[in-house]
Amino acid sequence: AQKVTQAQTEISVVEKEDVTLDCVYETRDTTYYLFWYKQPPSGELVFLIRRNSFDEQNEISGRYSWNFQKSTSSFNFTITASQVVDSAVYFCALSEGGTDKLIFGTGTRLQVFP
Amino acid sequence: NAGVTQTPKFRVLKTGQSMTLLCAQDMNHEYMYWYRQDPGMGLRLIHYSVGEGTTAKGEVPDGYNVSRLKKQNFLLGLESAAPSQTSVYFCASSRSLGVTNQPQHFGDGTRLSIL
Repeated sequence: AQKVTQAQTEISVVEKEDVTLDCVYETRDTTYYLFWYKQPPSGELVFLIRRNSFDEQNEISGRYSWNFQKSTSSFNFTITASQVVDSAVYFCALSEGGTDKLIFGTGTRLQVFP
Repeated sequence: NAGVTQTPKFRVLKTGQSMTLLCAQDMNHEYMYWYRQDPGMGLRLIHYSVGEGTTAKGEVPDGYNVSRLKKQNFLLGLESAAPSQTSVYFCASSRSLGVTNQPQHFGDGTRLSIL
């Protein structure tokens, strides 16, 4: 069965600190896709990244970076030099190849204080 | 650049009333989804559609019905609303022909309260 676990319910940091959001997934498929979405206080869901199971390269986009490790079934998200605008709920999600249905984790609420 | 539009944005119902939530997308996506978001539970899939005229059950389908009469629209119906259906509802769409597991594009959500 598919499952996504985000064990960190809430994280608080002070601006400019680095912060890592953890995501652990379970799937029996060899082909799957992992996603991160951001939900700011305004409520909409914003797509951040998609990674397939055959691509374990880490990715960096500005202050954001993602570490995908199949050996530990993890897809962690790091924000470097956090800013107040990063305050949001972040969701990790999984879809198995060919279905497109997303299984979401319960989310991690990140609060960045000035 | 409308993307995914949900109507209405807010609604308050009394127990037993019925209503329909409308989702419209202008990206020519094949797949459409309805989720509900409850505190501490993330988003859970209610129903989804892989094309015009088709629908399928998701993780939490009970108490809801859906229809996809036109490719661009996906309707979510509550026949007899219950307080347990108080939630924020999100519609999403994805997948143009020939590509798979593309990111889902979400609407802004509908906040529904059942009294």
